[in-house]
Amino acid sequence: AAGVIQSPRHLIKEKRETATLKCYPIPRHDTVYWYQQGPGQDPQFLISFYEKMQSDKGSIPDRFSAQQFSDYHSELNMSSLELGDSALYFCASSLRARVQNEQYFGPGTRLTVT
Amino acid sequence: AQKVTQAQTEISVVEKEDVTLDCVYETRDTTYYLFWYKQPPSGELVFLIRRNSFDEQNEISGRYSWNFQKSTSSFNFTITASQVVDSAVYFCALSNDRGSTLGRLYFGRGTQLTVWP
Repeated sequence: AAGVIQSPRHLIKEKRETATLKCYPIPRHDTVYWYQQGPGQDPQFLISFYEKMQSDKGSIPDRFSAQQFSDYHSELNMSSLELGDSALYFCASSLRARVQNEQYFGPGTRLTVT
Repeated sequence: AQKVTQAQTEISVVEKEDVTLDCVYETRDTTYYLFWYKQPPSGELVFLIRRNSFDEQNEISGRYSWNFQKSTSSFNFTITASQVVDSAVYFCALSNDRGSTLGRLYFGRGTQLTVWP
């Protein structure tokens, strides 16, 4: 069965650079969630989209932006990268109507800022 | 406010021992959902179980069992006859049914379980 795809899996950037993380949800899923997990930390919710509209916003820095496209894939854009942005970034997808039953996580993108 | 507390930061056991991971949650919602995820060293988040607030039945799946008690706001996870492959970080998480935050998961800090051979 198709799973959530995230690309790239690993990314190394320098301070002040920009990064774009991509998430391809499971086919027919209409909702995407982004989480950030710092080293030794729990995943923290960043932002979510439903039907290409932002549906919820968490502790996402102003330097970050995200969107969901017409094919339902989502991109997280991160600018002016800081060392503290080094983390594992997870994307999860679901059908909004069944979000409490099925929410599938991607393998994550490990971002390292040097 | 939604809050999940996993008081055990690290647990070490020897293979074949039973181990219980504790999870205490706080919410004002009457409808909510509780989850357990496993994060092995490779980093992915593996879904283990979901429970809704109206279903207090305990569940057993192989060596895994879960004890949900609303009276104490706890959702504990027990691994019976632990194995080395059970070594991972285990997260307990909570979500609610509110439209604005539908599906958002609130995670605990996680418990690092190490099973020694």
